[in-house]
Amino acid sequence: KAGVTQTPRYLIKTRGQQVTLSCSPISGHRSVSWYQQTPGQGLQFLFEYFSETQRNKGNFPGRFSGRQFSNSRSEMNVSTLELGDSALYLCASSPGGGVTEAFFGQGTRLTVV
Amino acid sequence: QQQVKQSPQSLIVQKGGISIINCAYENTAFDYFPWYQQFPGKGPALLIAIRPDVSEKKEGRFTISFNKSAKQFSLHIMDSQPGDSATYFCAAYGNKLVFGAGTILRVKS
Repeated sequence: KAGVTQTPRYLIKTRGQQVTLSCSPISGHRSVSWYQQTPGQGLQFLFEYFSETQRNKGNFPGRFSGRQFSNSRSEMNVSTLELGDSALYLCASSPGGGVTEAFFGQGTRLTVV
Repeated sequence: QQQVKQSPQSLIVQKGGISIINCAYENTAFDYFPWYQQFPGKGPALLIAIRPDVSEKKEGRFTISFNKSAKQFSLHIMDSQPGDSATYFCAAYGNKLVFGAGTILRVKS
């Protein structure tokens, strides 16, 4: 069974630009969550999507948004990038429906210059 | 109330020794407590998890001990090996995963 796939693996963007990251969950999993990992703040929850609906949201500004498609694939978008958005963005896949085991992808390393 | 406090920040253990990492939480609504292992350049990998109705769970060399009344749980790695050198995160789930700050484990051969 294929794991969680995140693309791209690495990304360099300029301040003010916007970026879209993609996540393909494990086949059959309906829940996708996104996390930001930085040395200073650790792993922080961004949002969760289940069956194309945002089910939960963390404490991030509105510049961070996401969506989920009917095939459970998810994208997250960050607009008006700031230097502080440089981080490893991780996607986690869960079966959903009350099953809480979460499996992470390898992440997208975003560098904002 | 959403915090999970993890200690120590870093740990050095001799090969064959026992590694112990501790976590504490406040929110009694948490009902699932996983541990993740992360190697450099990789995403966190689910190692072992426990629910609060169980006081201990063992999988191979990894054991979670859970103390519901104290709101604490810990990871024990028996017979630690150099290949166990990684960053370990505890987490707690209420309606989202809340992570501890991580423990960098180094196992000396």
